[in-house]
This record gives sequence, C-alpha cells and structure tokens, in this order.
Amino acid sequence: DIVMTQSPDSLAVALGERATINCKSSQSILYRSNNKNYLAWFQQKSGQPPKLLIYWASTRESGVPDRFSGSGSGTDFTLTISSLQPEDVAVYYCQQYYTSSRTFGQGTKVEIK
Amino acid sequence: QVQLVESGGSVVQPGGSLRLSCAASGFTFSAYGMHWVRQTPGKGLEWVTLIYPNGNEKYADSVKGRLTVSRDNSKNMVYLQMNSLRTEDTGVYFCVKDCSLGGDRDHWGQGILVTVSS
Repeated sequence: DIVMTQSPDSLAVALGERATINCKSSQSILYRSNNKNYLAWFQQKSGQPPKLLIYWASTRESGVPDRFSGSGSGTDFTLTISSLQPEDVAVYYCQQYYTSSRTFGQGTKVEIK
Repeated sequence: QVQLVESGGSVVQPGGSLRLSCAASGFTFSAYGMHWVRQTPGKGLEWVTLIYPNGNEKYADSVKGRLTVSRDNSKNMVYLQMNSLRTEDTGVYFCVKDCSLGGDRDHWGQGILVTVSS
C-alpha cells in the first residue's frame, strides 16, 4: 500500500497568517495518461465528517474559499491556507486515490495562535 | 448530483453482526466501483473494501474474512455485512463512490456510526 505521511502533526498560526501542511507519498501518484496527481485534501471539524477541499492535488472543490490552495506533484504535496480564519480550525488530511486501496495521512491539527 | 446515504449503524456486542446499507443516486450506479472507508479512534481514516462494477471485491487485511461487501445494481444499493465484530471496529463508516483513474474525484456519504461494546 502507498504510505501517506503528513507534517507537521499540529501547528498553531495567528489569524490572518499563512498555514502550510505537507504530505508525502511513498510512491508517485501521478497518472501519466492525464497528467493528474490523484491526491485529495480534506478538512474535518469536530463532530463532522471529512469535507473535500482539493482534488487532483490542486483543484478546489466547488464552494471552497480561494484562501485554500494545493500544490505539488509526484510524491510531494502541500496544502496552504493563505490567511487563516477562525473557521479554519480543524484537522486536515491528505489522501491518495491513485490505487484502489485508498490511504490517508495521519492528519494535521490546525489551531489559532 | 451524487448522493450517498448510509444506514444500519447501531450498538452491537463483540462477536456480533451488523449490516450497513448505502443508497446511491445521481449517477449510473452499475458503472462505478463503491468503497467503504471507516474512521476509528485507533487507526484514524482507513480504507475497508471496494466492490467493482463487475462484482469483484477487494478488502483490507484487517477485515478479511469478517466483513463482506455486496451490491444490488437493480436497487442502487451497496451493503457491508459485518460479522465477528471487535471493539476496534467501532467507528464511523463512509460509503464512497469510486472515481477511477481518468476521473476527477471520489464522492463521500455522511457516514454512519457503528459501536461495538459490551
């Protein structure tokens, strides 16, 4: 199975500042036939199911604020929140959907400093 | 739009059985694989099983022999039969529409809680 490793496990960022979360896959998740990376980012707030933010590593899901952006290719990916808002306090997960046995990062907890 | 609604969650004793259901709508159900993914206190988000459009099945090692996935294309339903349940199976179970390579994204249901406790 592909192992997904996120860093850091938690971070505290001041309101309005940038938050950056990294995700590394143990093998490439780039599908060469369409040149897409099969990497998704989810946000999970307390007591709620995970919410899809980003797919194909960098495509924002409809309705997701543009302060959320994804980047990276191959095995190294980043989720950036450009200006942290109070409602962004949550746990963030990366997930590869390149293989049928989906795998997830361990999660990164984002808090307000 | 794609809609997935899970049902059947409950409290069950260790060693017991439970069947989860997922009602799908908004897409050509028979053409897509369907996953079950769970979120447990011990392991976080964990893929459980996939049933392909042709009915072939794939399982995580942690559930092989105890959980069985099935589908009814005439009813747009996917099921998860859970036998020999353990306390570590406690968690929220999500039904997920597979996007397949070439597609854009999976679609997730809201999840259903299963509690295994004496």
